[in-house]
Amino acid sequence: EAGVAQSPRYKIIEKRQSVAFWCNPISGHATLYWYQQILGQGPKLLIQFQNNGVVDDSQLPKDRFSAERLKGVDSTLKIQPAKLEDSAVYLCASSLTSGADNEQFFGPGTRLTVL
Amino acid sequence: QKEVEQDPGPLSVPEGAIVSLNCTYSNSAFQYFMWYRQYSRKGPELLMYTYSSGNKEDGRFTAQVDKSSKYISLFIRDSQPSDSATYLCAMSAMTGNTPLVFGKGTRLSVIA
Repeated sequence: EAGVAQSPRYKIIEKRQSVAFWCNPISGHATLYWYQQILGQGPKLLIQFQNNGVVDDSQLPKDRFSAERLKGVDSTLKIQPAKLEDSAVYLCASSLTSGADNEQFFGPGTRLTVL
Repeated sequence: QKEVEQDPGPLSVPEGAIVSLNCTYSNSAFQYFMWYRQYSRKGPELLMYTYSSGNKEDGRFTAQVDKSSKYISLFIRDSQPSDSATYLCAMSAMTGNTPLVFGKGTRLSVIA
């Protein structure tokens, strides 16, 4: 079974530029998550999708971050404009369905450096 | 007070040692408790999962939950160099789509 795919793996941009990350979840997984992991911290949930609908985006900085999952499969996360404090690893995860008892499978992450 | 507290280490032990990793939490609604292992430059992978209180054993790994003390532990017996990684505790309340809350992670090195 293929895992969660993410691209790019690394990205370096200057502040105020925009950037987009892509995620392809495990086939058949209805729930998709985007996490931000700052160096030395645990992952923090940014947004959760159930199919193509948003379940939780309470911690997404909506003035600069946006995410979509138009066909209920792939997802993109965008930052515009980027700030220095956005430097982090952005992890995508998927699970069969929502609920705390459903295992989340994580991708390798995209490491973003904002200069 | 943060919802989940975890000592970031680093923790360095000799091969074969018993490792004890711990987290404390403040939210009494948490019912699901997980331990994730994260190798360098990789995403976290689920290691152990416990619902409510008690112990769970899987090979060399044992997870303990003490809800009265709001304290969870992961024990690794006969530690191996391949166990060198960051260990993240995570927890969630039972109802609805409540998100996972992660600790900071403890970086473990097992020296051969």
